Amino acid sequence: SQTIHQWPATLVQPVGSPLSLECTVEGTSNPNLYWYRQAAGRGLQLLFYSVGIGQISSEVPQNLSASRPQDRQFILSSKKLLLSDSGFYLCAWNPSWETQYFGPGTRLLVL
Amino acid sequence: GIQVEQSPPDLILQEGANSTLRCNFSDSVNNLQWFHQNPWGQLINLFYIPSGTKQNGRLSATTVATERYSLLYISSSQTTDSGVYFCAAPQGGSEKLVFGKGTKLTVNP
Repeated sequence: SQTIHQWPATLVQPVGSPLSLECTVEGTSNPNLYWYRQAAGRGLQLLFYSVGIGQISSEVPQNLSASRPQDRQFILSSKKLLLSDSGFYLCAWNPSWETQYFGPGTRLLVL
Repeated sequence: GIQVEQSPPDLILQEGANSTLRCNFSDSVNNLQWFHQNPWGQLINLFYIPSGTKQNGRLSATTVATERYSLLYISSSQTTDSGVYFCAAPQGGSEKLVFGKGTKLTVNP
């Protein structure tokens, strides 16, 4: 069966520090992968979308970047974190048009 | 792009009560999904329902595509139903989903 992992689960970082969040999917190949951010107030905002290795679509201009170095690995990065980068980061993949499966998420607090 | 609006934003129920959550979308869709986010943050896909009605246990969903809305019914609610319910629809003709702001459901014992 397919599973999706994210790490770390929680992270507290100072303003100006770098960031690297990792997402991996098991049990499938060539998945579409997504990064979302959920700030206080509940809404999910799509940040990045990838249909394959090295193929990244940025949805919102911001302080973040994404990379897909391997088929089932999706990385979210920042060179210098801002306070506004705090939030809950969710990775997702979709095996078909009909559904998306989400990872457990990473809670990021920037101080 | 498509707009997805959910109501009510908050809902408080006693265990055993029934509820109806609504999702309105601004454009025609061929993909409408409902998700539940539990209090620990995990998002679970409940239904893929671009039209018609589906049922899964105490939960059911109906989408009336011609009128651009979907309803999620929860019957005999339990405390474990608490959390935030999201509906989502695709952006344009892509597989990228646009989420509503959610309905926060609290079921009290």
